[in-house]
Amino acid sequence: EAGVTQFPSHSVIEKGQTVTLRCDPISGHDNLYWYRRVMGKEIKFLLHFVKESKQDESGMPNNRFLAERTGGTYSTLKVQPAELEDSGVYFCASSQSQGLNTDTQYFGPGTRLTVL
Amino acid sequence: ELKVEQNPLFLSMQEGKNYTIYCNYSTTSDRLYWYRQDPGKSLESLFVLLSNGAVKQEGRLMASLDTKARLSTLHITAAVHDLSATYFCAVEVYGQNFVFGPGTRLSVLP
Repeated sequence: EAGVTQFPSHSVIEKGQTVTLRCDPISGHDNLYWYRRVMGKEIKFLLHFVKESKQDESGMPNNRFLAERTGGTYSTLKVQPAELEDSGVYFCASSQSQGLNTDTQYFGPGTRLTVL
Repeated sequence: ELKVEQNPLFLSMQEGKNYTIYCNYSTTSDRLYWYRQDPGKSLESLFVLLSNGAVKQEGRLMASLDTKARLSTLHITAAVHDLSATYFCAVEVYGQNFVFGPGTRLSVLP
């Protein structure tokens, strides 16, 4: 079974540009999570999708970040315009169902974003 | 390529018992992290281990790091139901990689 995949693995952009990160969860997983780890700091939760709906977006830092999950399959996280402090590693995780024994989150490899 | 393994992946234990979760990694690292994830919730940071021989304790949990063996352990003492969760280790090679283990699902039974 394929795991959670993320694309690209690395992205280097200039301040003010736009970047779109993609996450493909494990097939059949309704829950999709985005996390961010800024260098030297702890991982922070960004948001949680259940299928195509945003269940919790309390961790989104500001309105420069836009996440979508059209059709409840893959998700994109767009940063527009990117700022220097957005640099870090963005992780995606998915889980099958909430409230059951299938809610273990499986993490993707992350996308390393560098804003110059 | 940095790989992180955890053992066991699933663990059921009775209240009051002790147990250890193991985290092995494949290359030299700078930091090792332990996280807890409750069902339906995001990660909660437990420990950060920075050097060989580091030991940290919080309540019934104690984490240690052996960088020579590339092994970290999370020891649970006298487990209680509230400790039921999934525990992840993550390994950092500074500026290069940050890789999660697969997680250990812990169920503490009354």
